[in-house]
Amino acid sequence: SAVISQKPSRDICQRGTSLTIQCQVDSQVTMMFWYRQQPGQSLTLIATANQGSEATYESGFVIDKFPISRPNLTFSTLTVSNMSPEDSSIYLCSVAGFNYGYTFGSGTRLTVV
Amino acid sequence: GESVGLHLPTLSVQEGDNSIINCAYSNSASDYFIWYKQESGKGPQFIIDIRSNMDKRQGQRVTVLLNKTVKHLSLQIAATQPGDSAVYFCADLFNFGNEKLTFGTGTRLTIIP
Repeated sequence: SAVISQKPSRDICQRGTSLTIQCQVDSQVTMMFWYRQQPGQSLTLIATANQGSEATYESGFVIDKFPISRPNLTFSTLTVSNMSPEDSSIYLCSVAGFNYGYTFGSGTRLTVV
Repeated sequence: GESVGLHLPTLSVQEGDNSIINCAYSNSASDYFIWYKQESGKGPQFIIDIRSNMDKRQGQRVTVLLNKTVKHLSLQIAATQPGDSAVYFCADLFNFGNEKLTFGTGTRLTIIP
């Protein structure tokens, strides 16, 4: 299965600022996703990161708040914009597909103060 | 899986005993199911999967059972060890085309030495 490197692993940010999270995969993958995991809760899909086109967002998530880039088949970024304390969560990158598994990065633990 | 709850269900098991973690899913057309283990500070780790055309699959110390009639999934862990303490999530996949997983609420398993 694919190996995912995600960074930063954690950060503490001031409200009103933005943080960009990077996800690097060790092989070319078609499907990449970004999830949010709020404290003590399950995982919620934010969006599908599409290579060469705009990301596809799930209900409740918008591009202005969570812009995503996918410049190639091994890399994606998620930006959390204009942060508030409610954005404090773990953000996870994932790749999915029968050929390379349904694998997650180690996550970025974000605290907004 | 069912959508998010505020508090994770918990299960405490004596070391060496067997544990059973249950999960209900909502989409009767889901075709593929995965169990993940998430340790503190880490991303979800793939444990075992099962296709909808099967009702049982075994791995090393783990067994997944699928009951499509009642839309229920269970994970059995045999001879539990302290390292099994974690949060366990089930996830289901409805469409292999979009590869989007829906996660269950999660269960926190604590192994008592």
